[in-house]
Amino acid sequence: GAGVSQSPSNKVTEKGKDVELRCDPISGHTALYWYRQRLGQGLEFLIYFQGNSAPDKSGLPSDRFSAERTGESVSTLTIQRTQQEDSAVYLCASSFRVGYGYTFGSGTRLTVV
Amino acid sequence: AQRVTQPEKLLSVFKGAPVELKCNYSYSGSPELFWYVQYSRQRLQLLLRHISRESIKGFTADLNKGETSFHLKKPFAQEEDSAMYYCALSPSSHGGATNKLIFGTGTLLAVQP
Repeated sequence: GAGVSQSPSNKVTEKGKDVELRCDPISGHTALYWYRQRLGQGLEFLIYFQGNSAPDKSGLPSDRFSAERTGESVSTLTIQRTQQEDSAVYLCASSFRVGYGYTFGSGTRLTVV
Repeated sequence: AQRVTQPEKLLSVFKGAPVELKCNYSYSGSPELFWYVQYSRQRLQLLLRHISRESIKGFTADLNKGETSFHLKKPFAQEEDSAMYYCALSPSSHGGATNKLIFGTGTLLAVQP
């Protein structure tokens, strides 16, 4: 596709359930990032994948959060045993290389009830 | 610690007035800095990056290492400039690999008619 695609666009889940968010980056972009944006706050870095290197997981807020990426393609962000504080917009971005900035997806709005 | 500070949550100006969106950063190395913009109901997108020294939609931003600032400026604001603006810093490695961006909390620019 021409842009970064995220699905679902909206997700409402019950507290305690697991959710899986998907990101399809731009073809050829070796770097992929996940960010979280809570209401009224800035973007919070979660995890970063670069090619076949070990991912930078330094932003994951707890062990309930995990992410995978197969090669240089799709990534999934999984949140286990969701809590209300997990409610946020989860943004994915991909990048060709340093200095070019990111291309963002439209995000997944997660609401935990 | 690496940090990006945008002191204003909201900046309201009249059409035709000059605009300056403030951004200060904290980083010990040589930073790469970006401005991102999010228009209503659109995805976050790159506005400009300091290494390009470009002007996009009439906006410019100059890196001032002495003041550790990267303020975004436009001499004459237009109503269509109304949006959320995020300043971001990339603590890139010397190897050239794309790295995570650290975002400020954003400033909402409202241009009144």
